[in-house]
Amino acid sequence: DTEVTQTPKHLVMGMTNKKSLKCEQHMGHRAMYWYKQKAKKPPELMFVYSYEKLSINESVPSRFSPECPNSSLLNLHLHALQPEDSALYLCASSQGQAGNTEAFFGQGTRLTVV
Amino acid sequence: GQNIDQPTEMTATEGAIVQINCTYQTSGFNGLFWYQQHAGEAPTFLSYNVLDGLEEKGRFSSFLSRSKGYSYLLLKELQMKDSASYLCAVRPDTGRRALTFGSGTRLQVQP
Repeated sequence: DTEVTQTPKHLVMGMTNKKSLKCEQHMGHRAMYWYKQKAKKPPELMFVYSYEKLSINESVPSRFSPECPNSSLLNLHLHALQPEDSALYLCASSQGQAGNTEAFFGQGTRLTVV
Repeated sequence: GQNIDQPTEMTATEGAIVQINCTYQTSGFNGLFWYQQHAGEAPTFLSYNVLDGLEEKGRFSSFLSRSKGYSYLLLKELQMKDSASYLCAVRPDTGRRALTFGSGTRLQVQP
């Protein structure tokens, strides 16, 4: 199993809503990532979890709240988002964070904030 | 800081060869990755270079020169399905170890 599974695939939410994005991998990877990608732009790193601990927060606004319940799961809790937060949210995982450990990406959640 | 540059767009003909360049300036270096991303889909891993030289994998090859901060991805025998964005990404060796992506090169393969 070399898959990273993200749910939902699409999400439309209002600015006062609370929602969560979910990501799951069963490859035994110990590093998991959230990236945000706007149209025709590269993925931008948001958060990194290493061994279930938050190791990097790229100065992401607090309306985005990551959570790593266990080594296979990564969530991104969303609250009071703005329309400019509409983007493709990609989850990725890797064996570790060193050397040739490639990152495997999920299919992403396309988020629209209305 | 990190600075990764790629051409924005390229066009090539089916069956031809195309080279996509990437230059980088990063604080530390622990490998360069190439990913392919079709519109609306996740990036998929193509290649990894950490030592100077050429890595070949079927129709795709990737080259790295660490002293020049330069890499290229070579695609041979282009197919229509190769139309996609190609992302160059660097992993630093200190502190932040997550991948930093270049802006990507949108390749259009024409008949």
